[in-house]
Amino acid sequence: EVQLVESGGGLVQPGRSLRLSCAASGFTFDDYAMHWVRQAPGKGLEWVSGISWNSGSIGYADSVKGRFTISRDNAKNSLYLQMNSLRAEDTALYYCAKEYCSSTSCNALFDYWGQGTLVTVSS
Amino acid sequence: EIVLTQSPGTLSLSPGERATLSCRASQSVSSSYLAWYQQKPGQAPRLLIYGASSRATGIPDRFSGSGSGTDFTLTISRLEPEDFAVYYCQQYGSSPPLTFGQGTRLEIK
Repeated sequence: EVQLVESGGGLVQPGRSLRLSCAASGFTFDDYAMHWVRQAPGKGLEWVSGISWNSGSIGYADSVKGRFTISRDNAKNSLYLQMNSLRAEDTALYYCAKEYCSSTSCNALFDYWGQGTLVTVSS
Repeated sequence: EIVLTQSPGTLSLSPGERATLSCRASQSVSSSYLAWYQQKPGQAPRLLIYGASSRATGIPDRFSGSGSGTDFTLTISRLEPEDFAVYYCQQYGSSPPLTFGQGTRLEIK
């Protein structure tokens, strides 16, 4: 059974940093790209960042570029998001999501999601 | 960046009725790389449709997707009580960034 378990969220002051983690199990982690998607309270979904299976390709939303860094440790089956210079508008539930692969190809849509970790940026 | 606009914002229907949800893209979505998700309160999104019209594993056949280019539709043929939720479309043909629509809330009438 595929499981994605996020951790590391909490209350943080504006300008401070936080590191999120996602522990993956139930699939061959280093076969798949992984992503972070966030959802502000009562709002829709926003893609934050994605990383290829070997960390060779990384992308960010403009809203977090230069402040957030995605990384992974395939030996530990773990995905990370280092968040610096946090702002009030970064307040959201952060989901870790696995990319979908068919029998022939992989694409940046998400077939498994964690339950999310809540980040609240407030003084 | 491809902007996705979903309509209507809220759809009020009764169980047994047919639901039609729209997702319009600001530019053509290459290779019909469009997905639909369902999200219930307190839960993570669930993948329903990919490639505009292919059902994900375990998704009932009352859910169907159609469309190409800039206009896409999710249809639920006969609403079950568990189908009342928020639905999002997502394009994955042009990235970064990947983009989602703002969602359609399907509520019980």
